[in-house]
Amino acid sequence: DIQLTQSPSFLSASVRDRVTITCRASQDISSYLAWYQQKPGKAPKLLIYAASTLQSGVPSRFSGSGSGTEFTLTISSLQPEDFATYYCQQLNSFPYTFGQGTKLEIK
Amino acid sequence: QVQLVQSGPEVKKPGASVKVSCKASGYTFTNYYIHWVRQAPGQGLEWMGIINPSGGSTTYAQKFQGRVTMTRDTSTSTVYMELSSLRSEDTAVYYCARVASIVGGDYWGQGTLVTVSS
Repeated sequence: DIQLTQSPSFLSASVRDRVTITCRASQDISSYLAWYQQKPGKAPKLLIYAASTLQSGVPSRFSGSGSGTEFTLTISSLQPEDFATYYCQQLNSFPYTFGQGTKLEIK
Repeated sequence: QVQLVQSGPEVKKPGASVKVSCKASGYTFTNYYIHWVRQAPGQGLEWMGIINPSGGSTTYAQKFQGRVTMTRDTSTSTVYMELSSLRSEDTAVYYCARVASIVGGDYWGQGTLVTVSS
């Protein structure tokens, strides 16, 4: 199975900060990576797919980059509604594993 | 609009089985795979498997092989996930999500809490 390791696991930041979350894959997954945002008690929400394509309706302050084994999710200017947990998921091969999550908290 | 509506919460005893449904609407049911993901309390997301509603083919995570069965009913645009031999560690919220090729889960159900307790 492909392992995804996110860093950091916890992140404390302020409104208007720029933050970056990293997702490393245990083997080459090309660009088959998605990023999700999850708020407490809610289903995950797709933000980015194919490593860098913004899902329709997602604010442009979210961006994704990377290919192969290293990927990043960047939020250019944090807004209050962005404090949540973020997950990456690989769709290169079964099982479609998730990273362990990054909890983004208000400083 | 695209919607995935799941069945209600369940409480089961250890050793029992549970069957969760996911009814799709607002799109052509057979054009998109459905995957099932679960989340134990306070934990991360865990991928369980995927079903192709068109032909019914499935792929399951190794961890759940032999205990999980995913099926579909094209007449009602509903997919089902049945998990057997339940244990306390299966207590979780179970989600279905529509999967568009390499896009990932673009629409998700609201989640179904399954509690396993004696």
